[in-house]
Amino acid sequence: AQSVSQHNHHVILSEAASLELGCNYSYGGTVNLFWYVQYPGQHLQLLLKYFSGDPLVKGIKGFEAEFIKSKFSFNLRKPSVQWSDTAEYFCAVSRRAGNTGKLIFGQGTTLQVKP
Amino acid sequence: EAQVTQNPRYLITVTGKKLTVTCSQNMNHEYMSWYRQDPGLGLRQIYYSMNVEVTDKGDVPEGYKVSRKEKRNFPLILESPSPNQTSLYFCASSGSGVNSPLHFGNGTRLTVT
Repeated sequence: AQSVSQHNHHVILSEAASLELGCNYSYGGTVNLFWYVQYPGQHLQLLLKYFSGDPLVKGIKGFEAEFIKSKFSFNLRKPSVQWSDTAEYFCAVSRRAGNTGKLIFGQGTTLQVKP
Repeated sequence: EAQVTQNPRYLITVTGKKLTVTCSQNMNHEYMSWYRQDPGLGLRQIYYSMNVEVTDKGDVPEGYKVSRKEKRNFPLILESPSPNQTSLYFCASSGSGVNSPLHFGNGTRLTVT
């Protein structure tokens, strides 16, 4: 079955530290890839997405992610985190073929940034 | 303003008492979906709908029902809630294109005692 794994469940960083959150998926076909962010008490918001083209995708708030097809990975990065980046981050994958609309989410990574 | 609206935001109920969580979107989206979010498990899909009168099970459909009589509405029905359905529920919608991202509602926190 298709699955999404996020390796880090809880990450604690100091402000200005660099961030990398891992995401791997198991589906072998063509996929769309997403990162969503959920700030405390809020709903999920799209951070960035990859559909095709340049595997390095830039999103909002200085985040970027790199799609490495050979590794089935879509890791999220930010060079210098801020306290306001404290949130839960979800990686998600959908199959491109057939457009079933089904989005599979990872377990989420809680990021805590210390001021 | 384009949005997905869920009601209520918070709900406390007792085992066995039927309840409905409403979801409405004003973006004319074909696709709508319900997720539940539980600590350590991320978001799991309950049901989804590709269009009016078209619904299908997600990963965790047991104990839930949905209907899609109108394009804008996609209510989630719990006929006989149980404590293991205590969770945070999100409704989402998107357009029909393969590249359409999901838009999420603000969530409904349900507690079943």
